[in-house]
Amino acid sequence: AQSVTQPDIHITVSEGASLELRCNYSYGATPYLFWYVQSPGQGLQLLLKYFSGDTLVQGIKGFEAEFKRSQSSFNLRKPSVHWSDAAEYFCAVVERGDYKLSFGAGTTVTVRA
Amino acid sequence: DAGVTQSPTHLIKTRGQHVTLRCSPISGHKSVSWYQQVLGQGPQFIFQYYEKEERGRGNFPDRFSARQFPNYSSELNVNALLLGDSALYLCASSPTPGQGTEKLFFGSGTQLSVL
Repeated sequence: AQSVTQPDIHITVSEGASLELRCNYSYGATPYLFWYVQSPGQGLQLLLKYFSGDTLVQGIKGFEAEFKRSQSSFNLRKPSVHWSDAAEYFCAVVERGDYKLSFGAGTTVTVRA
Repeated sequence: DAGVTQSPTHLIKTRGQHVTLRCSPISGHKSVSWYQQVLGQGPQFIFQYYEKEERGRGNFPDRFSARQFPNYSSELNVNALLLGDSALYLCASSPTPGQGTEKLFFGSGTQLSVL
């Protein structure tokens, strides 16, 4: 069955430390891949996306993600987190030719001073 | 330009009632999608409308229905509310329903509580 898995429910990181959020997908062919961020009371904001080409994708707010076909993964990274990065992060996929986003369960990021 | 606007922002209903949620897409966007986000989970696709026609439906019961108006705004209706319908309902708009959803923008959602 098709699925999107975010193995980490909650991650706590110190301000200034690096952050990596994991995402694995199970689809027949490589889908389009996305990372969204959701702050409390807010909608979803697109951080970055991968359609094809360079497997290292740069996004907004200093985030990047790396697509690894062999591992069916699309992990999100940030070298140095800021307190404002505390939020919930969702990995999402769209099967090529489709339009419905399928989301992972999300990872909550807490930033400690 | 205004983003995707949803109303109301919060709503409290009791079991068995019905509810109507509204969404105004970004100007020029003709496609509207609805997602349900239950607490602690990722959003789940409910419907997509394009040019006033339903283009897709997720795995939701017939109690859920929607429509899109000539001005491309949309309503999501839920009948015979259950406690499990309590969720954040997100609307997203895009110029077309096409591949990649790279131009998909989300509203802030309507928080529905069913008591």
